[in-house]
Amino acid sequence: DVKVTQSSRYLVKRTGEKVFLECVQDMDHENMFWYRQDPGLGLRLIYFSYDVKMKEKGDIPEGYSVSREKKERFSLILESASTNQTSMYLCASSGGRRQETQYFGPGTRLLVL
Amino acid sequence: GDSVTQMEGPVTLSEEAFLTINCTYTATGYPSLFWYVQYPGEGLQLLLKATKADDKGSNKGFEATYRKETTSFHLEKGSVQVSDSAVYFCALRGTSGTYKYIFGTGTRLKVLA
Repeated sequence: DVKVTQSSRYLVKRTGEKVFLECVQDMDHENMFWYRQDPGLGLRLIYFSYDVKMKEKGDIPEGYSVSREKKERFSLILESASTNQTSMYLCASSGGRRQETQYFGPGTRLLVL
Repeated sequence: GDSVTQMEGPVTLSEEAFLTINCTYTATGYPSLFWYVQYPGEGLQLLLKATKADDKGSNKGFEATYRKETTSFHLEKGSVQVSDSAVYFCALRGTSGTYKYIFGTGTRLKVLA
């Protein structure tokens, strides 16, 4: 089975702190994604990556950056956390062009005070 | 751009009732269509998918048929169980060559014993 793990299930940070969310997948997938999930808004794509060191902005990249130094790891960075970034963050991965299914991690619930 | 619209919840049913969750989409060409399910405290997992018109995806008693003429992918189950209580997301993967997925806002299902 594909396994996508996220570094924390719950996280509490202060406004202005730099926050790192880590995601690791064990299936040698090329594509990795970061979403945030908010009630009534569903999933919104923040950033995605289709190869090591490659990244593409999603629909709501403002206030976030990402890093993909190794194929299995995709990090989401909040440079200066704000209260409006309180949310559930979901990481996902998928294989190459012919593999369409996304596999999700359990999510990180982030609270910014 | 591409979009997915699904019925708002919550949907509350008694055990063994018939379930329909409506999903319609807007996209150019022939996108792939998905239903994902999110159980409490977990990430999303693929429930079923269909990749071309008139395909029927099925899994765990759930079914959905890709209807190009009505741009719909409604989820159905003949007899729901308490364990089906979850949030259901309709999603599409477009044909524009990117790896982006578009998710609906989710429909919460609660099944009562």
